[in-house]
Amino acid sequence: EVQLVQSGAEVKKPGESLKISCTTSGYSFTSNWIGWVRQMPGKGLEWMGIIYPGDSETRYSPSFQGQVTISADKSINTAYLQWGSLKASDTAMYYCVRRGAAVIPLDYWGRGTLVTVSS
Amino acid sequence: EIVLTQSPGTLSLSPGERATLSCRASQSVSRIYLAWYQQKPGQAPRLLIYAASSRATGIPDRFSGSGSGTDFTLTISRLEPEDFAVYYCQQYGSSPWTFGQGTKVEIK
Repeated sequence: EVQLVQSGAEVKKPGESLKISCTTSGYSFTSNWIGWVRQMPGKGLEWMGIIYPGDSETRYSPSFQGQVTISADKSINTAYLQWGSLKASDTAMYYCVRRGAAVIPLDYWGRGTLVTVSS
Repeated sequence: EIVLTQSPGTLSLSPGERATLSCRASQSVSRIYLAWYQQKPGQAPRLLIYAASSRATGIPDRFSGSGSGTDFTLTISRLEPEDFAVYYCQQYGSSPWTFGQGTKVEIK
């Protein structure tokens, strides 16, 4: 069974750094792209970017390029999303998602990690 | 960037009724790269339809997708109580991938 298990909720102050994780199981981690989707409170879904753990090729949405870093550690089947300096506007739910094979898009979703940034 | 516009914003219907949701793209989308997701309150979204008209694993056949070019439609033939949720379309053929703003299907 494919599972994407995300790290727990975080409460941070503006300017702090943060790295959240998504640990996968039930499939070959290096064979599928893993992405991240943001959902701000009461709002819709926003595509952030995606990484191919097999070779670490990473693609970012222009809206998030330079704002976050997506990485992966294939030795522990885990993908990461990190911020160097958080802002209040980063407060959101962040979902990790698996890209399926061929024309299948986001077929498996983590439960989400709630990040709250407040002074 | 391809902008997806969903309509209506909210659809108020009764169980048993037919729901028709629209997704219009700012430029042509290859139909093999158009998907629909369902999100219920407090839950992660789940994939319903991919390649415009293919149902994802485990999705009941009351859900169907159609369309091509810039106009796509999600139809729920007869609404069940568990279908009241927010629905998003997504294009994943052109970078950056984009989502529509969502259509809420609520109980009338």
